[in-house]
Amino acid sequence: DGGITQSPKYLFRKEGQNVTLSCEQNLNHDAMYWYRQDPGQGLRLIYYSQIVNDFQKGDIAEGYSVSREKKESFPLTVTSAQKNPTAFYLCASSPNGANQPQHFGDGTRLSIL
Amino acid sequence: GESVGLHLPTLSVQEGDNSIINCAYSNSASDYFIWYKQESGKGPQFIIDIRSNMDKRQGQRVTVLLNKTVKHLSLQIAATQPGDSAVYFCAENPDKLIFGTGTRLQVFP
Repeated sequence: DGGITQSPKYLFRKEGQNVTLSCEQNLNHDAMYWYRQDPGQGLRLIYYSQIVNDFQKGDIAEGYSVSREKKESFPLTVTSAQKNPTAFYLCASSPNGANQPQHFGDGTRLSIL
Repeated sequence: GESVGLHLPTLSVQEGDNSIINCAYSNSASDYFIWYKQESGKGPQFIIDIRSNMDKRQGQRVTVLLNKTVKHLSLQIAATQPGDSAVYFCAENPDKLIFGTGTRLQVFP
């Protein structure tokens, strides 16, 4: 079945450590997105990519980095510069073009040790 | 499970009744709207979308109504079932998706 796979489901980070969250899709979607979800808040956009080898900062990109070397993959690195990384991270993808719904993975919960 | 949203508005309905979840959007330039359902520990699941040239759109057991005059969107769920219990949120798209904070739907027998 086509879909978006995020791994791991739970991740723990030590102080000063970088961690990378995986997102893979087999929907043949051009666009991919990373969001952060905190309790009581709407999803906030971290980074997005509309095509391979290109990506743009979202609203809260500081302390995060991404790469888009392959159409299927859009990994997110949470760096040590992100001082409040504890959150639920969601990856999404969509076809390019206006007014297309985004389809989400089941998220990665990141916590600080 | 995940705490998708603490202190969210909550709608409690009896199984079999109809549910109406409301959403006020902010940008008058938004021309596309989506409703998502999010169960605990999972990612949001697409339910239904509507474009601004429509006032109403129906799916299976769900109807979305759009009132552009007052910038209001609603999701109606017919014959609500226990499996409908989740957090529901709307998203608007002026140029990129903007997500609301959500409403928790609780279905009791």
